[in-house]
Amino acid sequence: DQQVKQNSPSLSVQEGRISILNCDYTNSMFDYFLWYKKYPAEGPTFLISISSIKDKNEDGRFTVFLNKSAKHLSLHIVPSQPGDSAVYFCAASANTGNQFYFGTGTSLTVIP
Amino acid sequence: SAVISQKPSRDICQRGTSLTIQCQVDSQVTMMFWYRQQPGQSLTLIATANQGSEATYESGFVIDKFPISRPNLTFSTLTVSNMSPEDSSIYLCSVGFGLHEQYFGPGTRLTVT
Repeated sequence: DQQVKQNSPSLSVQEGRISILNCDYTNSMFDYFLWYKKYPAEGPTFLISISSIKDKNEDGRFTVFLNKSAKHLSLHIVPSQPGDSAVYFCAASANTGNQFYFGTGTSLTVIP
Repeated sequence: SAVISQKPSRDICQRGTSLTIQCQVDSQVTMMFWYRQQPGQSLTLIATANQGSEATYESGFVIDKFPISRPNLTFSTLTVSNMSPEDSSIYLCSVGFGLHEQYFGPGTRLTVT
């Protein structure tokens, strides 16, 4: 059973506009959430994370929002740039920290 | 962070053969993991590679099919045994630093014909 879900397999956005990537989870024991970015032929690279004690974390153009009651998180990229075109995975872990559960990824295309 | 390399980067193998994938890290790490990403699927943890002891496998994965070695704190191998087309995937190793922190290698793209 997929505990972390990304229901949008792809997203296209114009350069300069906002990209919003969504992620839902089912396990209420998850307390840490991460976003990874993956280019073709490369491994996923860590982008941004958020602990369940927060509802927002910001790092430059990237902001992650967490809605615990809805078991939903989102990644906002503002402004979007062509170099942001990649597959984005959300991941979740419980307080043991070692087991990450990944979504299926959303392929973002930023159109110049 | 860490620099992680994997060999081979890709391979095409015949059904029934085995392939060993190597993962090398540029620093000593306690936690090393092996993941699989099947086409259109999420990354799934295969096992935790424990230094000096047997790997810890996740549900659905067994040692006979995916034997893992971890001879030291910078190196691990994953073997995909008796391959079938269903084993066609990207295999990734990752390393962990403390809680919630994992870095991934570039992956090995395996195609089984």
